[in-house]
Formats: sequence, C-alpha cells, structure tokens
Amino acid sequence: AQKITQTQPGMFVQEKEAVTLDCTYDTSDPSYGLFWYKQPSSGEMIFLIYQGSYDQQNATEGRYSLNFQKARKSANLVISASQLGDSAMYFCAMREGNYNQGGKLIFGQGTELSVKP
Amino acid sequence: DAGVIQSPRHEVTEMGQEVTLRCKPISGHDYLFWYRQTMMRGLELLIYFNNNVPIDDSGMPEDRFSAKMPNASFSTLKIQPSEPRDSAVYFCASRPFRGPGMNTEAFFGQGTRLTVV
Repeated sequence: AQKITQTQPGMFVQEKEAVTLDCTYDTSDPSYGLFWYKQPSSGEMIFLIYQGSYDQQNATEGRYSLNFQKARKSANLVISASQLGDSAMYFCAMREGNYNQGGKLIFGQGTELSVKP
Repeated sequence: DAGVIQSPRHEVTEMGQEVTLRCKPISGHDYLFWYRQTMMRGLELLIYFNNNVPIDDSGMPEDRFSAKMPNASFSTLKIQPSEPRDSAVYFCASRPFRGPGMNTEAFFGQGTRLTVV
C-alpha cells in the first residue's frame, strides 16, 4: 500500500497566483514528520518545508505553507504568488517514528508544476 | 560546508560490468541514505546507515547491490554485475541527529546518473 500519495501528476498555474499541491499519507505511528522537496530540471533535491505530527500550527517558510489536516491525513503544500522559477517536480515525503529512530524518508510519486507567464 | 558530494556525476557502463558510486556526507551528519530515482518507480530508499552501521537495507533490490560505509565521511554503493534495468539516478543524502523535538531534514547530493548499456 502506498504510504504517500500525490494524486496530481501535473499541475499548471498562472504566474503570481497561488497553487495547492496535494499529499495524503498513511501511517499508524503517532509520531511522524512530513516534508516537501522541490526537484528542478537540473535534478537536485531541495528541502522546502517540514511539519511534525505534534505541531499545533501549520508550517510556513516564505511563500510556502503546509496545510496540515491530521484527521484527514493530508499535508498539502501551498505556494503563494507563483514564480516562473517554481516550475519543477515537487515531492511529499514522510518519516515515521521518533526522529531519532533512524526515520527513513518515504517519498510520493511527485507532482510536476508548470508556471505559465 | 560543501554539501553532500557524489561521484561520478554521470556513469555509462556496459552490462555485466561492476559499478561503484561514491558519496561523501556532510561532516557531522549521523545518517546516510542511498536512494534510486526512476520514472517508473519514483524515489526508492535502498539502504540507510546510522553512525556508519547499516540499519535498513530492505530496499536493496538484489544481491547484485551492496553498500558500505567504512567511516563517517565516505560511503559506496556497488552494483556487480550491472544490468540495463539498473539505469537510474542514484542519490545519496545525509542528515544530523540534533536532539528531542528537533527536526532535521535530509540533505541530498547532486546524484549520479547511471546508464547501463
């Protein structure tokens, strides 16, 4: 069974508009972490934002915010004021267990975002 | 810090040959991960180490794959013999252990693009 599901293989957004990338996860562990990474066409993996399962507030990092709905097991990434440089693959990932128990990172299949000028 | 360093960046080899991929994690990081990325299977965790000790190698596809971490600053992923289906981008990542309540994301290298012909 998929632990991380990203249902949008591809998304388009107009420059300067906001866009939401969906991510749902599946775990029975009460302690987990959720991550979003960006992979531009150059191939590197860039960390964007993190949300812990016990965090009371949604995480924000500049133009990135994470819409964390624990009961629904969703962790959607919101990018505000899209820029052309935001065009890339975006991966949602989950780390189960206490951070100090190894915590391997499991990735979703990714969403390819294209920002239109 | 220079980040996670992988070598080579590109490797083309003939089927049946041995291939060795190399990784230098960020100094002071406690965990090291090897991932493989393909279009079909996405990002798969192959193996990870904690303080140079292999913790989980359940993602290693076959006995043809082996990974070592002889010291805190170096790891190798070896494929012997290589097959065309091993063609992929192989990423190495590392992350530190900081302590209770501290998130630590994984930092990725630039990847090695392996082509087996």
